[in-house]
Amino acid sequence: SSELTQDPGVSVALGQTVRITCRGDTLRSYYASWCQRKSGQAPVLVIYGKNNRPSGIPDRFSGSSSRDTASLTITGAQAEDEADYYCNSRDSSGNVIFGGGTKLTVL
Amino acid sequence: QVQLQESGPGLVKPSETLSLTCTVSGDSISSFYWSWIRQPPGKGLEWIGYIYYTGSTNYNPSLKSRVAMSVDTSKNQFSLRVNSVTAADTAVYYCARHHISPAGCWFDPWGQGTLVTVSS
Repeated sequence: SSELTQDPGVSVALGQTVRITCRGDTLRSYYASWCQRKSGQAPVLVIYGKNNRPSGIPDRFSGSSSRDTASLTITGAQAEDEADYYCNSRDSSGNVIFGGGTKLTVL
Repeated sequence: QVQLQESGPGLVKPSETLSLTCTVSGDSISSFYWSWIRQPPGKGLEWIGYIYYTGSTNYNPSLKSRVAMSVDTSKNQFSLRVNSVTAADTAVYYCARHHISPAGCWFDPWGQGTLVTVSS
């Protein structure tokens, strides 16, 4: 079955840039989307498609992809960006796969 | 703006059926796809399946034998049933609007989530 692999944890100094990656064969055919889940809150979509941000998402969030890897980049990380980040994508049958999640710590 | 709210029992006995409803407000359910996603304690997100307003469904192959979804357009609601539950089905259950394109998919918005515990 298809899988998406994420690093369990990443840290970044306040104001610096961090990249969170997601790897999987399905990403050779489909874009990943990214959601942010803060403790005790519902997930929020931050990036979808090639590199699209929903209304209200700061422009410090951006997405990119290359071969089997998708990346979420936060340029100038803020304290409020500390959260779990999940990538997800689809397969040819329309099934959805989630990555295991990356816990972002802002130092 | 579109808002989603999950409702249903927070405690289900092993071997019984888990039933949840998602009420959509701010937009008609008669467009888009609608998904259920869950997160067991300390674990990641797991997609359960989606339903289109016509009633067409697609379920996660790992759960397909135990899952059923339905939609009630008159109430702007869709529902989830998981039968023969075990402790492994204990999770926060989310409903979300599911956007599908030839290039990918995404979920926006999400409901607040509801914790369902399977225990006797």
